[in-house]
Amino acid sequence: NAGVTQTPKFQVLKTGQSMTLQCAQDMNHEYMSWYRQDPGMGLRLIHYSVGAGITDQGEVPNGYNVSRSTTEDFPLRLLSAAPSQTSVYFCASSYRGRPDYEQYFGPGTRLTVT
Amino acid sequence: EDKVVQSPLSLVVHEGDTVTLNCSYEVTNFRSLLWYKQEKKAPTFLFMLTSSGIEKKSGRLSSILDKKEPFSILNITATQTGDSAVYLCAVEARDYGGSQGNLIFGKGTKLSVKP
Repeated sequence: NAGVTQTPKFQVLKTGQSMTLQCAQDMNHEYMSWYRQDPGMGLRLIHYSVGAGITDQGEVPNGYNVSRSTTEDFPLRLLSAAPSQTSVYFCASSYRGRPDYEQYFGPGTRLTVT
Repeated sequence: EDKVVQSPLSLVVHEGDTVTLNCSYEVTNFRSLLWYKQEKKAPTFLFMLTSSGIEKKSGRLSSILDKKEPFSILNITATQTGDSAVYLCAVEARDYGGSQGNLIFGKGTKLSVKP
């Protein structure tokens, strides 16, 4: 299993540009989520999905869109990049409804918006 | 508002020391508390705690949960330089269906272990 994969690893955008951060998992996990991590802020949930076709907002959803057309993929779209979106983005997945589980994290995407 | 507070925010110790990291939380419909270790990359899972008073151990690391206070501690004995990392505490609340909800993370404790 490749686990959770994210692309790209690094990205530099200009203000106003749009892009999609890719996330895929091959563990048949129902639950997938996107976090951003900023210095001194821990991880904050952007959007999450409990299954194909179902998405919902987390703590900091503004400026981001998601979709979940398949179980495997959960892309995060930046509609019009802003410097405040400079951050490290982590995608995570896990089983849903199991008594013991952990969230598996992808390697992260470091995004800089100038 | 649900929140997770970790203390201290940073800690410097010498190899061989024992450290205790703290995590307190206020969460509606608590389901579980998780500890992660992060070393300049993705967080890696350490422990998941759901019941009070049951210690979980893995080598020199151990953790316990007190749901009454509520808080959790992460202990690391005989620290090594390889333990240097940010330790993240996260709490999961149940969703409306009783299944797993989302993780709420604390800001982390940065541990530096000097030789």
